[in-house]
Amino acid sequence: GAGVSQSPSNKVTEKGKDVELRCDPISGHTALYWYRQSLGQGLEFLIYFQGNSAPDKSGLPSDRFSAERTGGSVSTLTIQRTQQEDSAVYLCASSPRTSGKQFFGPGTRLTVL
Amino acid sequence: DQQVKQNSPSLSVQEGRISILNCDYTNSMFDYFLWYKKYPAEGPTFLISISSIKDKNEDGRFTVFLNKSAKHLSLHIVPSQPGDSAVYFCAASVGFGNEKLTFGTGTRLTIIP
Repeated sequence: GAGVSQSPSNKVTEKGKDVELRCDPISGHTALYWYRQSLGQGLEFLIYFQGNSAPDKSGLPSDRFSAERTGGSVSTLTIQRTQQEDSAVYLCASSPRTSGKQFFGPGTRLTVL
Repeated sequence: DQQVKQNSPSLSVQEGRISILNCDYTNSMFDYFLWYKKYPAEGPTFLISISSIKDKNEDGRFTVFLNKSAKHLSLHIVPSQPGDSAVYFCAASVGFGNEKLTFGTGTRLTIIP
């Protein structure tokens, strides 16, 4: 079956602009995660959705970052007033409730000029 | 504060020999550990995991060892193959499954033919 998909694959934007990144999880997966990987760094947790529960937003670096998940499926990560330090690969993952492993999408490479 | 550490940014191993990748953690609450493999321009893919109730888990050529007292785990690949060349991430979570993962910074493994 289809894996996790993310769009766009690459995004170049100017400092101060808003961007939206999209994630389509694997069908039936109840949990959805966003991570980012900055150059030379490991993956940094951003936010986690599990079913209808309130999301765990503890990893969001500032209030410029927000995410929503509509209908328990597709998720959008929004970064407002982008800064150069927001440049990174943003990765989405999903997992079924009963599984211990997360399935990752290919990521969106964001470059803020 | 880096709670999961991979102190070797790179490792080169001859084809057919054993590759040993190491990971240390500081948070004693972590009780589930995973290894992910990442090729360029792709998302990480799950490789193998281990629960804190075990000290070893084996899957084909891959074995993960956990030393809870030392807060150390390692991934053994034997025999190493050229297709194993990738970046390997160690990750940990509090609780099994659907929780946020804390990742290390990765080790780039190169298998020399």
